[in-house]
Amino acid sequence: AQKITQTQPGMFVQEKEAVTLDCTYDTSDPSYGLFWYKQPSSGEMIFLIYQGSYDQQNATEGRYSLNFQKARKSANLVISASQLGDSAMYFCAMREPGGTGRRALTFGSGTRLQVQP
Amino acid sequence: GAVVSQHPSWVICKSGTSVKIECRSLDFQATTMFWYRQFPKQSLMLMATSNEGSKATYEQGVEKDKFLINHASLTLSTLTVTSAHPEDSSFYICSARAGTTIYNEQFFGPGTRLTVL
Repeated sequence: AQKITQTQPGMFVQEKEAVTLDCTYDTSDPSYGLFWYKQPSSGEMIFLIYQGSYDQQNATEGRYSLNFQKARKSANLVISASQLGDSAMYFCAMREPGGTGRRALTFGSGTRLQVQP
Repeated sequence: GAVVSQHPSWVICKSGTSVKIECRSLDFQATTMFWYRQFPKQSLMLMATSNEGSKATYEQGVEKDKFLINHASLTLSTLTVTSAHPEDSSFYICSARAGTTIYNEQFFGPGTRLTVL
């Protein structure tokens, strides 16, 4: 079964509007971490935001916020006031605890966001 | 954030040759390094996890004799693609972590684009 599901292969948004990128996950561990990364055409992975499974509040980082709905196992990324520079691939990722605590991030398939002027 | 470098950033080689990619954590000691592979328009797929001084753990389907990983120190891991073939052409990204908790962010290198002719 897919650990991380991103159902939107591509999204368009007008500049200055808000956009929500969907992410659902599957885990039986009560302790896990959820991450969002941005990958521009250059290929580098840029960390955006983190949400821990025990965090009471939704994470926010500047224009990025994470709409965390634990019961639904969803962790949607909200980008407010979109900018042209936000055009990129966006990946949702999860880390579950391993025996050594060194588990790698598992990534979703990604959503390509295009911001239109 | 912490810096991870990769070298080279791109490489073109002939089929049958071996290619070595270096991954360095520049300002922190990485307890664990991860190697990912990304084909065009696809997500990052974990290839292997390496801990300093021990053998790498390879994901299912990844040939350990073809993709040799050496984690010689807390700041350096190398991936050697042996007897490369055109199907090995891909974007290889390394990532490093400094701790073992759920939160500890994975810092990504800028990636290495390998083209095998």
